[in-house]
Amino acid sequence: GIQVEQSPPDLILQEGANSTLRCNFSDSVNNLQWFHQNPWGQLINLFYIPSGTKQNGRLSATTVATERYSLLYISSSQTTDSGVYFCAVEEGTYKYIFGTGTRLKVLA
Amino acid sequence: GAVVSQHPSRVICKSGTSVKIECRSLDFQATTMFWYRQFPKQSLMLMATSNEGSKATYEQGVEKDKFLINHASLTLSTLTVTSAHPEDSSFYICSATGTGRYEQYFGPGTRLTVT
Repeated sequence: GIQVEQSPPDLILQEGANSTLRCNFSDSVNNLQWFHQNPWGQLINLFYIPSGTKQNGRLSATTVATERYSLLYISSSQTTDSGVYFCAVEEGTYKYIFGTGTRLKVLA
Repeated sequence: GAVVSQHPSRVICKSGTSVKIECRSLDFQATTMFWYRQFPKQSLMLMATSNEGSKATYEQGVEKDKFLINHASLTLSTLTVTSAHPEDSSFYICSATGTGRYEQYFGPGTRLTVT
């Protein structure tokens, strides 16, 4: 099956800093999503991005499908950005494989 | 739009008893629902995929007799953990997708503790 690796595994930032999270996957995929899991466990959809670039406020994402990676950019980080960020790729029809996650802590 | 709820949010049960967790899509018809399990500080692992009116498809290593899944309607799927044991303690999360939708939408999760 597809392997999905994320880096870095852990990240600590000062409020206001920028960061880039990476998701590498081992085979071609049809769909890719980025999620933020808040401290209460809720997964929040950030981007549905099988290819190309999207932006939503301070967040943006880029997926280069031919090179099998996706990047999530967080600018001007805030303490509320803390949590775990997952990418998930679709294997087959609708079956999502989750990455290893990046645990982010933003300090005030 | 695309809201998914789960009930209960937390449950504590005694070893040997069964627990049912409900997953509902509130504002769309969920043709396919998914159940995941997450251990502390780990990623989500897909347990099974269910389509409305069909038997669930379980991932390798998941005991279908222990984790009973029912997707009786386009808005409701249930996961029943039968004869629960302490090793079944975990965070269970459901997600759903609907016709014409490509994204999965996740419920808030259910934390199960078996004593």
